[in-house]
Amino acid sequence: EVQLVESGGGLVQPGGSLRLSCAASGFTVSSNYINWVRQAPGKGLEWVSVMYNDGSTYYADSVTGRFTISRHNSKNTVYLQMSSLSGDDTAIYYCALGVVITGTDYFYIDVWGEGTAVTVSS
Amino acid sequence: QMTQSPSSVSASVGDTVTITCRASQDIRSWLAWYQQRPGKAPKLLIHAASSVPSGVPSRFSGSGSGTDFTLTISSLQPEDFATYYCQQGDSFPLTFGGGTKVDFK
Repeated sequence: EVQLVESGGGLVQPGGSLRLSCAASGFTVSSNYINWVRQAPGKGLEWVSVMYNDGSTYYADSVTGRFTISRHNSKNTVYLQMSSLSGDDTAIYYCALGVVITGTDYFYIDVWGEGTAVTVSS
Repeated sequence: QMTQSPSSVSASVGDTVTITCRASQDIRSWLAWYQQRPGKAPKLLIHAASSVPSGVPSRFSGSGSGTDFTLTISSLQPEDFATYYCQQGDSFPLTFGGGTKVDFK
């Protein structure tokens, strides 16, 4: 069974840093596209970042330069290192598997984890 | 930029509900729809504008290409009362619509 489990969320002060983890099972992260999507309290979904199987990474403008996505292949885990955090980063962060349509550069987000909550507050 | 309408709709069990999503530029057919129930993670309903993954009930259908897309829920069931989001996958950054909440009339 394909599964994603996020961890690492919590309360952090403005300006602080936090690292989220996404542990995968049922598939190999290094062969797939792994995304981070967040949802602020009472708000809609916001895509944050993706790491491709070839290691390429892409970010939302709102986090570029502050967030870094990475992976540890032997642990089958993807990380989101977040720094210079502000209240606008308060959200549930979801890890999600992207599925590529063969022959295209398009992928859709298929399997989602349950999310981990990040609160930025003093 | 993805614009969904309406932002909310009230409906009854058995109704047909239609949600639209408009892209600010041509996104070909690279659009997905997700359902999110309160306190839960989103769930994929439709990808590539009209492809329904296995396990998704046949009452969910999608159509459109270019800039205008539609999600149709036929014969609304109690478990369908939720919030629905569209999302473009044509270019980075990926973007979601603002959501459409379907609630009881």
